[in-house]
Amino acid sequence: EAGVAQSPRYKIIEKRQSVAFWCNPISGHATLYWYQQILGQGPKLLIQFQNNGVVDDSQLPKDRFSAERLKGVDSTLKIQPAKLEDSAVYLCASSLLRTGYEQYFGPGTRLTVT
Amino acid sequence: AQSVTQLDSHVSVSEGTPVLLRCNYSSSYSPSLFWYVQHPNKGLQLLLKYTSAATLVKGINGFEAEFKKSETSFHLTKPSAHMSDAAEYFCVVSERGQGAQKLVFGQGTRLTINP
Repeated sequence: EAGVAQSPRYKIIEKRQSVAFWCNPISGHATLYWYQQILGQGPKLLIQFQNNGVVDDSQLPKDRFSAERLKGVDSTLKIQPAKLEDSAVYLCASSLLRTGYEQYFGPGTRLTVT
Repeated sequence: AQSVTQLDSHVSVSEGTPVLLRCNYSSSYSPSLFWYVQHPNKGLQLLLKYTSAATLVKGINGFEAEFKKSETSFHLTKPSAHMSDAAEYFCVVSERGQGAQKLVFGQGTRLTINP
């Protein structure tokens, strides 16, 4: 079974630029999550989708971050404009159940904002 | 809100010796607790989970954890460390967010194995 795919693996941008990350979950997984992991910290949930609808986006900085999952499969996370403090690893995860107990994580995208 | 505190940011043990990674939780009700492992440049992987069944939970790769309500702890142990166990370990609690369960991660414990 293929795992959660993410691209790109690494990205370096200057502050105030925009960036987008892509995630392809495990086939058949209805629930998709985006996490932000700052160096030295545990992952923090940014947004959770159930199929193509948003379930929880309470910790998403909506003035600069946006995410979509138009067809209920792939998802993109965008940052515009980026700030220095956005430097982090962005993790995508998926699960079969909305309860999310068995979440499967992708390798992440490491973003550096200079 | 639920939370977890990992008591050690870094643990170093010799190969073949026991491993103990400590985690305390804060929860207003009976929690669901997990341990995840993160190897360098790899995705997070579920080691084990506690969901109010047996208090001693066995996971993959010889790891186990014991839920102790009186001590609000969920420590991770392994009898004999292997070099391949070197990684970052996260204690995680599940809480209800906006109409859905969500995972809240601890700060992580980096485990180093000495030859």
